Amino acid sequence: EAGVTQFPSHSVIEKGQTVTLRCDPISGHDNLYWYRRVMGKEIKFLLHFVKESKQDESGMPNNRFLAERTGGTYSTLKVQPAELEDSGVYFCASSARLAGAYEQYFGPGTRLTVT
Amino acid sequence: LAKTTQPISMDSYEGQEVNITCSHNNIATNDYITWYQQFPSQGPRFIIQGYKTKVTNEVASLFIPADRKSSTLSLPRVSLSDTAVYYCLLPRTGGNNRLAFGKGNQVVVIP
Repeated sequence: EAGVTQFPSHSVIEKGQTVTLRCDPISGHDNLYWYRRVMGKEIKFLLHFVKESKQDESGMPNNRFLAERTGGTYSTLKVQPAELEDSGVYFCASSARLAGAYEQYFGPGTRLTVT
Repeated sequence: LAKTTQPISMDSYEGQEVNITCSHNNIATNDYITWYQQFPSQGPRFIIQGYKTKVTNEVASLFIPADRKSSTLSLPRVSLSDTAVYYCLLPRTGGNNRLAFGKGNQVVVIP
């Protein structure tokens, strides 16, 4: 069974540019999460999809971040325009269960560098 | 959410048992004690979860005293490949599904 995959693994962009990160969850997992770790900080929750619906987006830092999950399969996270403080590692995770979903399966992350 | 406190780092020799303690004095009734492991350049990976007493799986054991104000993750006979950051988390049943990661405990296994 394939795990959670993320693309790209690494992205380097200039301040002001746009970047789109993609996450493919484990097949059949309705729950999809985005987290990120910015330099020197802890891993922080961004948002949670249940199928194509945003269940909780309270962790999104500002309106420069847009997450979508059309069709309830893969998800994209777009940063537009990117700022220096957006640099970090963006993780995607998925889980099958909604209740008690403490077991989340994480992807390898996308390392974003904004210069 | 209840806060967790772990040591920042520890070293251990190969073949030894490693015990990592997590303090969670304000743990709530609905909180489950969950541990994740993260290798360099990878995402966190769930390893074990428990509510009380002892839980064991193929990777680790988790010891939880009756008051649940702390827990100990035990890794038997560690190898170099167990070098990782270990996180203690308290996801709450019936709450939202977000995982709140702290700083974790960097375990370095040395030959």
